[in-house]
Amino acid sequence: ELKVEQNPLFLSMQEGKNYTIYCNYSTTSDRLYWYRQDPGKSLESLFVLLSNGAVKQEGRLMASLDTKARLSTLHITAAVHDLSATYFCAVVPLFGNQFYFGTGTSLTVIP
Amino acid sequence: DAGITQSPRYKITETGRQVTLMCHQTWSHSYMFWYRQDLGHGLRLIYYSAAADITDKGEVPDGYVVSRSKTENFPLTLESATRSQTSVYFCASSPLTVRPSNTEAFFGQGTRLTVV
Repeated sequence: ELKVEQNPLFLSMQEGKNYTIYCNYSTTSDRLYWYRQDPGKSLESLFVLLSNGAVKQEGRLMASLDTKARLSTLHITAAVHDLSATYFCAVVPLFGNQFYFGTGTSLTVIP
Repeated sequence: DAGITQSPRYKITETGRQVTLMCHQTWSHSYMFWYRQDLGHGLRLIYYSAAADITDKGEVPDGYVVSRSKTENFPLTLESATRSQTSVYFCASSPLTVRPSNTEAFFGQGTRLTVV
C-alpha cells in the first residue's frame, strides 16, 4: 500500500520564525507536488519537483526533493500570517498515473 | 470560462437517493480524477480516468460510479447515498501524459455533499 506521510499534522508558529514541513512517501517516484488549501477553498499548486535534488523557491517558501530518501521538505522562512493554510504534498509513482496525497499540515501563524 | 468547474457547489440529499456530481474542464486534459476530502484523511482518490471511455478505481471506489463519454466531462454518481459519503468532493484534471511531465493536477472548487 502506497503511503504519503506528512509531519507535523498541525503547526502553530509565531510570525518571523522558521519551520519545516516533511513529506515522506513509500514508492519510487520522480514527481512530487506541493499544494496549498485555504479554509473552504480548493487546492492551489505551489511547487512541482521533478528530479532528485530539485529545489524551488517562491517568496518565503522553499521546497526540496530527495528521491533516494523518498523525502520532500517545505521550508518556511520568517513566517507571516498570510501563510496560514493547510499544505499538502502529493506524489505520482514512477510507473503510475495517479496523484497520492498526504494528510496535510495545518499551519497557523500567530502574530 | 477556461478551467475546471464542479456543480453543484453544495448538495443535501437523503440516504438511499442517487446523486450525481458534475465536473467539466475546458483544457482537454487527458486525465481526470475524483477525490473526497475528510478530516484526518487528506484527499483520497475515488476514481480516475486516463481518457474518454477509460476509467479505473482509486483507493475508495465502493458506492461510486463514474463515466467519461467526452474528454471534458467526468461525472461522479453515488448510486445509493449513505451518511458515510458525507464529504467534500474535488474533481481534478491533468495532462500527465509523456514523461517527464511538469504539469500538476488542477482542482475544481469542490462540492460539499451532506447525506442526511
